Amino acid sequence: NAGVTQTPKFQVLKTGQSMTLQCAQDMNHEYMSWYRQDPGMGLRLIHYSVGAGITDQGEVPNGYNVSRSTTEDFPLRLLSAAPSQTSVYFCASSRDRGRHEQYFGPGTRLTVT
Amino acid sequence: QQPVQSPQAVILREGEDAVINCSSSKALYSVHWYRQKHGEAPVFLMILLKGGEQKGHEKISASFNEKKQQSSLYLTASQLSYSGTYFCGTDDSDSNYQLIWGAGTKLIIKP
Repeated sequence: NAGVTQTPKFQVLKTGQSMTLQCAQDMNHEYMSWYRQDPGMGLRLIHYSVGAGITDQGEVPNGYNVSRSTTEDFPLRLLSAAPSQTSVYFCASSRDRGRHEQYFGPGTRLTVT
Repeated sequence: QQPVQSPQAVILREGEDAVINCSSSKALYSVHWYRQKHGEAPVFLMILLKGGEQKGHEKISASFNEKKQQSSLYLTASQLSYSGTYFCGTDDSDSNYQLIWGAGTKLIIKP
């Protein structure tokens, strides 16, 4: 079991560029989510999915899109990168939303210049 | 509503005990505890559910006071490996089963 994998580990973008952060899990989890973590702060939910074909917004969705075409994959797209999106991004998966542990990927450290 | 964690930071000597608190202004359905080491992903420690059910690692101890809307994580006989930042995530009556995370408690263990 690879668990939750994320690519890339590091990325530098220029303002206005777009990119996709990849996330995949091999645990057959229905629930997947994307968080951002800024220095000295907790995790903030960007988008989440409760199953293939179903996505919804979290606490800080602006500037990001997601899709969930398969159970395994949950990519996060930055539409037009801004310096305020400089952060560490974590993908997580779980059997359900609130009653089971979340498994986190190793994170993607994104810098927007 | 973001839960409030206290203290913000604590420094211990190896072998000492610590208590980390997490409180909310809303009724809670569950409290989740995770530990994160620098540059790494958060790692699951424990879930405490409304009604008394707990799931987690045997060596971790925690409590959940539903009436006071708060939870405490107890770290006894601390080891160097306990160092890191501890986060609580809460699922409250307004969060639609999503976890809202506290700002974290940084724990430093010295030999």
